[in-house]
Amino acid sequence: NAGVTQTPKFRVLKTGQSMTLLCAQDMNHEYMYWYRQDPGMGLRLIHYSVGEGTTAKGEVPDGYNVSRLKKQNFLLGLESAAPSQTSVYFCASSYFIYGTGMSKNIQYFGAGTRLSVL
Amino acid sequence: AQSVTQPDIHITVSEGASLELRCNYSYGATPYLFWYVQSPGQGLQLLLKYFSGDTLVQGIKGFEAEFKRSQSSFNLRKPSVHWSDAAEYFCAVGSTSGTYKYIFGTGTRLKVLA
Repeated sequence: NAGVTQTPKFRVLKTGQSMTLLCAQDMNHEYMYWYRQDPGMGLRLIHYSVGEGTTAKGEVPDGYNVSRLKKQNFLLGLESAAPSQTSVYFCASSYFIYGTGMSKNIQYFGAGTRLSVL
Repeated sequence: AQSVTQPDIHITVSEGASLELRCNYSYGATPYLFWYVQSPGQGLQLLLKYFSGDTLVQGIKGFEAEFKRSQSSFNLRKPSVHWSDAAEYFCAVGSTSGTYKYIFGTGTRLKVLA
């Protein structure tokens, strides 16, 4: 049972290069998320998806694009990498416990991708 | 605005000592509350969660947390810390309104002395 798998684990880019980070989950979760983690800032939401074919902006979406063509995959793209995008990127997926009229979101995280932009 | 505050950036305790990590939140209603742990080089692992009901919540690895509505707090505790507990701990607030997003605190890094 793999859970949430992120590839690659590490990457070094030069300024202006592009790349795509892949997140795959095998739990049949509807919702998926991309976060970035920077020292002293916790995790900040970049983009998220509430289902196949849908995406939405999070807290820090600029410079990133995403796609959710298949339910199990959520791709994060950097079209023209900048040093400010040096970070650790985490993907998460979630399921919901429905009860009393409210949904209860539990997110499960991948191991992260460490990206350096020179 | 919704926010989560973890006032302690670093905490150092001796192995076998008790531990309390603080978490305060600002939210319009009773939120869903979570504690995650991140070991070095690893992803985030869910320690425990609070949705409703009993305000004292038990989690994995011997951790517990208490929700105090009057103080807007959800502090994490462990009676006796083990060296393997050294990690970074994140408190998070989850939306109850269906937007499905979390707000994370900035984390508390725990160091355990042998």
